[in-house]
Amino acid sequence: KNQVEQSPQSLIILEGKNCTLQCNYTVSPFSNLRWYKQDTGRGPVSLTIMTFSENTKSNGRYTATLDADTKQSSLHITASQLSDSASYICVVISSGGSYIPTFGRGTSLIVHP
Amino acid sequence: DSGVTQTPKHLITATGQRVTLRCSPRSGDLSVYWYQQSLDQGLQFLIQYYNGEERAKGNILERFSAQQFPDLHSELNLSSLELGDSALYFCASSPQGVQDRKQTQYFGPGTRLLVL
Repeated sequence: KNQVEQSPQSLIILEGKNCTLQCNYTVSPFSNLRWYKQDTGRGPVSLTIMTFSENTKSNGRYTATLDADTKQSSLHITASQLSDSASYICVVISSGGSYIPTFGRGTSLIVHP
Repeated sequence: DSGVTQTPKHLITATGQRVTLRCSPRSGDLSVYWYQQSLDQGLQFLIQYYNGEERAKGNILERFSAQQFPDLHSELNLSSLELGDSALYFCASSPQGVQDRKQTQYFGPGTRLLVL
């Protein structure tokens, strides 16, 4: 069964600090992995999309890594800001003719001043 | 602002009723996706339409149906509503329909449905 596990479930950090969120998956066959940021009560916003051949992808202070061999991904946030407080969702897309996403439950990040 | 619009923003209805949620994709986007997000199940993919045709189906209940019209807007119909259908319903759009490639999806603000 395709699964995406995210850790930690929640995280509290101080403004200005760095943090790393984890995503482990068992989705097969693999097409691409996506990280989304979702503010409370709003729609998810795409941060990064990585295919099998991509090890790292950056979007401003967000850097995602992918290890397709171990089926692990991480999202590193540098110099956190209060606006980074949100849920971060990892999604793995299966390859093939149809769109088949498997969602993680997300990591809830709170950045304190 | 993603460019995707959804109406209504909030909907309160009773069990057994039927509702229609509406989505207008970004200008030029041909694909529309529907998602359900509840506290206990997280985000779930329901269905995808591409240029008027159903392209992929996820965990969509038989009580739910969707369609995409010639002007590319889409509607999600939920019938015989149950308490457990209370959730946020998101629509997203992307330019093309081949989803095992790197297509960014743009999510709308969602419709919050409460079934009493």
